[in-house]
Amino acid sequence: GENVEQHPSTLSVQEGDSAVIKCTYSDSASNYFPWYKQELGKRPQLIIDIRSNVGEKKDQRIAVTLNKTAKHFSLHITETQPEDSAVYFCAASQGSSGYALNFGKGTSLLVTP
Amino acid sequence: GAVVSQHPSRVICKSGTSVKIECRSLDFQATTMFWYRQFPKQSLMLMATSNEGSKATYEQGVEKDKFLINHASLTLSTLTVTSAHPEDSSFYICSAPAADRGTEAFFGQGTRLTVV
Repeated sequence: GENVEQHPSTLSVQEGDSAVIKCTYSDSASNYFPWYKQELGKRPQLIIDIRSNVGEKKDQRIAVTLNKTAKHFSLHITETQPEDSAVYFCAASQGSSGYALNFGKGTSLLVTP
Repeated sequence: GAVVSQHPSRVICKSGTSVKIECRSLDFQATTMFWYRQFPKQSLMLMATSNEGSKATYEQGVEKDKFLINHASLTLSTLTVTSAHPEDSSFYICSAPAADRGTEAFFGQGTRLTVV
């Protein structure tokens, strides 16, 4: 299947600093790019998403940027808090026809007080 | 957001037995549902797409005879792991798009399957 690469696999930041997670995708038909936060043993929670007709989207401390030409998209978390600690997954839609998602391998974010 | 309910949340079964996992959309109709598998500290891997009233579509490498999917109504899809083996132990999770609520796919709570 199509690949979604995510980096870094682990990220440790101090409270108040920013965190950036980057993803690339290979399916040029992908048009929907959500980001999920998953706590241990729980379901993924959507935190922000972006469609291919938009280059940037922001929701309070969270922002996502998309470069469709380069097939890159990134998650930016500002003013990080300890409760932001979790595993974050990026995903790209399989083509443009539905909601099946290819996920990145995840980034384990640790925010230390 | 829309609600997707998945049961059971945890199940332990003996090798060779079968386990059925249910995924229900509680407040919307889902003609399509997706089944994912997640091994410890790994990502979610799409196993199959469940289509109401028709056969499921399986991803490459997923055995359709081992992972039986039934989507008999607009609110229920089931995944049956047949002749389970310890290597099938994993976190299974479903998702369903609520087409009338935008682009978000809503996830069930997940099922932790342990085969002993």
